[in-house]
Amino acid sequence: QSALTQPPSVSGSPGQSVTISCTGTSSDVGIYNRVSWYQQPPGTAPKLMIYEVSNRPSGVPDRFSGSKSGNTASLTISGLQAEDEADYYCSSYTSTSTFVFGTGTKVTVL
Amino acid sequence: QVTLRESGPALVKSTQTLTLTCTFSGFSLSTSGVCVSWIRQPPGKALEWLARIDWDDDKYYSTSLKTRLTISKDTSKNQVVLTMTNLDPVDTGTYYCARIPDYNKGWFDPWGQGTLVTVSS
Repeated sequence: QSALTQPPSVSGSPGQSVTISCTGTSSDVGIYNRVSWYQQPPGTAPKLMIYEVSNRPSGVPDRFSGSKSGNTASLTISGLQAEDEADYYCSSYTSTSTFVFGTGTKVTVL
Repeated sequence: QVTLRESGPALVKSTQTLTLTCTFSGFSLSTSGVCVSWIRQPPGKALEWLARIDWDDDKYYSTSLKTRLTISKDTSKNQVVLTMTNLDPVDTGTYYCARIPDYNKGWFDPWGQGTLVTVSS
């Protein structure tokens, strides 16, 4: 199972919006809505930010949103804040009942 | 409150077997639909999914590591154990366990703090 493809880095100024893509295949992202996103500041464990493509857990700001089209899922951070600087990973359930993570994206707030 | 905590050796030698324990609280692995997974992260690299065990004792493994991994649970102790055989320095990294609240949903929440394992050659 190959890792989902994410851009290595994205950046934006405070208040701007950034979007992170997550490209998989018809065996994972394309056939399931079981795509989730995780935020990982340096030296910490990942934290769930989005589940089932576009749902936010309680406590996650509504400036985080998710979507999916075909084999590609996306995470958008609107109104970027300094505290959003972190690594972000997508994950998808697969047709073999396993999971696969993305390659990770570093978000930098300029 | 749901918490998970990983434990195990910080340093192991090549070719040895690694045994990691995930001790959790706030949920039961005998509850229908609940699962626990192991995920690892080499230093400075991406997350890699390793294995999952379900409430009904079904087990699933990463295709690339399947021959080296074994996952098991002790419901009475609220623990999940992962063993990895024939270690290599490339297995160095932080190992996390995480709950999957519903096997039919497929997300990891919450995660343990992780335990760093270094494999020496």
